[in-house]
Amino acid sequence: GENVEQHPSTLSVQEGDSAVIKCTYSDSASNYFPWYKQELGKGPQLIIDIRSNVGEKKDQRIAVTLNKTAKHFSLHITETQPEDSAVYFCAASKGYSTLTFGKGTMLLVSP
Amino acid sequence: DAGVIQSPRHEVTEMGQEVTLRCKPISGHDYLFWYRQTMMRGLELLIYFNNNVPIDDSGMPEDRFSAKMPNASFSTLKIQPSEPRDSAVYFCASSTLGAGGGKLFFGSGTQLSVL
Repeated sequence: GENVEQHPSTLSVQEGDSAVIKCTYSDSASNYFPWYKQELGKGPQLIIDIRSNVGEKKDQRIAVTLNKTAKHFSLHITETQPEDSAVYFCAASKGYSTLTFGKGTMLLVSP
Repeated sequence: DAGVIQSPRHEVTEMGQEVTLRCKPISGHDYLFWYRQTMMRGLELLIYFNNNVPIDDSGMPEDRFSAKMPNASFSTLKIQPSEPRDSAVYFCASSTLGAGGGKLFFGSGTQLSVL
């Protein structure tokens, strides 16, 4: 089955800096790659996603890039703010089957 | 819409007791998922339903776990008997498409502690 590796497990940045979280996947047939943000005491919430026919997608301060050849994708957050502090999960899926999640990255943004 | 509603938010029980977790999906969503979250294993899919029918329960760890969806607006996850290693946060999620098709909407989770 699909295996998703996520790095780093923890990331500390200063407010205003950029943050990058990277994921690799094993199944070359995977074609959907969402990112979820989980705040303390809450369930994960979708923040951005990308499909395999697109190399990059941007939404305000967040962007996701996909390299299908290398089977990796990344989340980029620019101008980080304290409210960006949370756990971020990447995931991969093929077709309409279930998602496989990475283990998560705890992002801490210090004022 | 109130979103996905789970109850209880916290459950503390003793080993051997039966535990029932409840979920109300978003109206109109055809898919319902049960996930378990632990530090060691991250987010694991336990089972998912489409139109109230269980489609894939390969993630259910043991026969002690069972899930039902008697109608489109209610699902339960039952553990009987519970064990300390079942301690985790259990999430319910719903969507209009399968998990690989689009956005999953998660509930706030049930924090289960088995003593």
